[in-house]
Amino acid sequence: NAGVTQTPKFQVLKTGQSMTLQCAQDMNHEYMSWYRQDPGMGLRLIHYSVGAGITDQGEVPNGYNVSRSTTEDFPLRLLSAAPSQTSVYFCASSYGVTYNEQFFGPGTRLTVL
Amino acid sequence: QQPVQSPQAVILREGEDAVINCSSSKALYSVHWYRQKHGEAPVFLMILLKGGEQKGHDKISASFNEKKQQSSLYLTASQLSYSGTYFCGTFNSGNTPLVFGKGTRLSVIA
Repeated sequence: NAGVTQTPKFQVLKTGQSMTLQCAQDMNHEYMSWYRQDPGMGLRLIHYSVGAGITDQGEVPNGYNVSRSTTEDFPLRLLSAAPSQTSVYFCASSYGVTYNEQFFGPGTRLTVL
Repeated sequence: QQPVQSPQAVILREGEDAVINCSSSKALYSVHWYRQKHGEAPVFLMILLKGGEQKGHDKISASFNEKKQQSSLYLTASQLSYSGTYFCGTFNSGNTPLVFGKGTRLSVIA
């Protein structure tokens, strides 16, 4: 099993550009989520999904869109990148939330100029 | 709503003990603990469930006080490999996602 994979590992964007961060898992997990990590702020939840076709907002959803058309994939879209979105982004998945560990991807380091 | 962790940072010598606390303003269903090494992804340590059940690590223990809405992570006889940032994540109800605290940076020195 590859676990949770994220692409790209690094990305530099200009303000106003759009892009999609990819996340995939091969463990048949229902629950998937996106976090951003900034110094001193911990892991903040952007969006999450409890299954294919179901998504919801987390703590910091503004400027991001998600969709979940399959169990395996959960892409994160930046609509119009801003310097405030410079961060490290982690995708995570698990069988459920309450009783199951989260498996994290390796992260994407995004810089917006 | 983010749980609150304390302390923010701690420095230990090898062999010393540490306690990291996590508290929530809402009732807790479960508390998750993760450790992150610099430049890496967070890695699962343990889950504490309402009712006292625990799942996770052999060498690290934790407690879960449901009434106080708190959890504590106990690191005993610390090793250099324990260094990293520790995050607690809380799950408040069936309709809310897992939310993490800001982390506690632990440095173990020789």
